[in-house]
This record gives sequence, C-alpha cells and structure tokens, in this order.
Amino acid sequence: KNEVEQSPQNLTAQEGEFITINCSYSVGISALHWLQQHPGGGIVSLFMLSSGKKKHGRLIATINIQEKHSSLHITASHPRDSAVYICAVGGGSNYKLTFGKGTLLTVNP
Amino acid sequence: ETGVTQTPRHLVMGMTNKKSLKCEQHLGHNAMYWYKQSAKKPLELMFVYNFKEQTENNSVPSRFSPECPNSSHLFLHLHTLQPEDSALYLCASSPEGGGGLKYQETQYFGPGTRLLVL
Repeated sequence: KNEVEQSPQNLTAQEGEFITINCSYSVGISALHWLQQHPGGGIVSLFMLSSGKKKHGRLIATINIQEKHSSLHITASHPRDSAVYICAVGGGSNYKLTFGKGTLLTVNP
Repeated sequence: ETGVTQTPRHLVMGMTNKKSLKCEQHLGHNAMYWYKQSAKKPLELMFVYNFKEQTENNSVPSRFSPECPNSSHLFLHLHTLQPEDSALYLCASSPEGGGGLKYQETQYFGPGTRLLVL
C-alpha cells in the first residue's frame, strides 16, 4: 500500500464545476505539497502547507494533520486546469518526498 | 519560461549505449534533484545534491551515475540501461543549502527528458 493515496484517480468535469481532489497519507509529516503536471511532463508546484488552508487564485488547499488528509479544490474549473495533480508528503530527517500516483483531471468545455 | 532547463527533451538509446542527461538551473538554488517517473507509478526520488555534495542515493542501480560539478548543473550519466529504465527523468532544484529541511521547500522542476531504451 502506497504511503500516499489520492482519490479519485481520474476525474472528468464540465467547465465551471467545483473540483475536489483528495490525498490521504499514513506517515507523520511536516509538509505536504500539491503539484500540477501538464501533458508533456512539466511539473509546477502549487502549494506547500503544514497546517490550515492556503488559497491562490481559484485554487484552495486544505490539510487536517490529525486526520492525515488534504484536499485540493478548484473553483470555476476551466479546460486549462486539465492536468495531473500530484500530492507529496515530506517528513523525517531526510530530503525525501513521497508522492501519490496522481489524479488525472479533464475539464471539458 | 522555467528556471530549470533539461536537455535533451527526448532520447532513444540502445542497451549498450552511453548517454548523459543535463540539467541546469538559473535560480541560484543550492539543492538539486533527479526524479524518475514511470508510467502508472508515482514519482521516485533518485538522487539529491546539496552544495554539489550528494546527500541522498535512493538505492539507484549503478548504471545511473550522477554528477554535480557546481550548484547550477546536474548530470545523469547512463550506461547499459534496460528497457524498464524507459521513463520520464525530471530534474528539480530548491533554494536551501546545508542542513535545512528540504521537504519543506518548494521544488522547481524542469520539463523532463523522456527516455526510451530499446
């Protein structure tokens, strides 16, 4: 069992819909990252958080440390949001981030 | 335009070839990373360099040989690879050097090199 589980694995939405992607982890962490990977491979870091909530434009990330769960929300989704969204967690005394398998989001016009 | 560049973007090689992947970061960062992304699998950390010193080798086979001549450049030398090594190889960098908690830093990724081993 992967230490980082994302759900759903695939998500199709219509433009304008509110999107939620979930991430659950089984290890103690100090930081959780949300990343976006577009077709072709390039990865962009969206958020890094260790508690509470962060917002950037139409994107909102929340984390509940006690429940070991984080969510990424996209409001008013747009076709350009179509990408793979990856959750990664870090903790301990090394540099290692543990990654989820990603959620493939497709937003149709 | 990303501050982290990778060349080549695509590479096809035979199992007996020797090739190198190059990564360059223009962000003034002190830590650099190699990741492997295989189809249907999570990203896997391969190597970490901090101030040009290798600080992590995540049990990577010796047919992958990293080199970090300075804080801005990172290479991955490839020799006698196997078809299962076909993957997207991503380089990343982060600001901190020396003792910081790297997993709390934002990492900046390059576009990747898509490698096919025949």
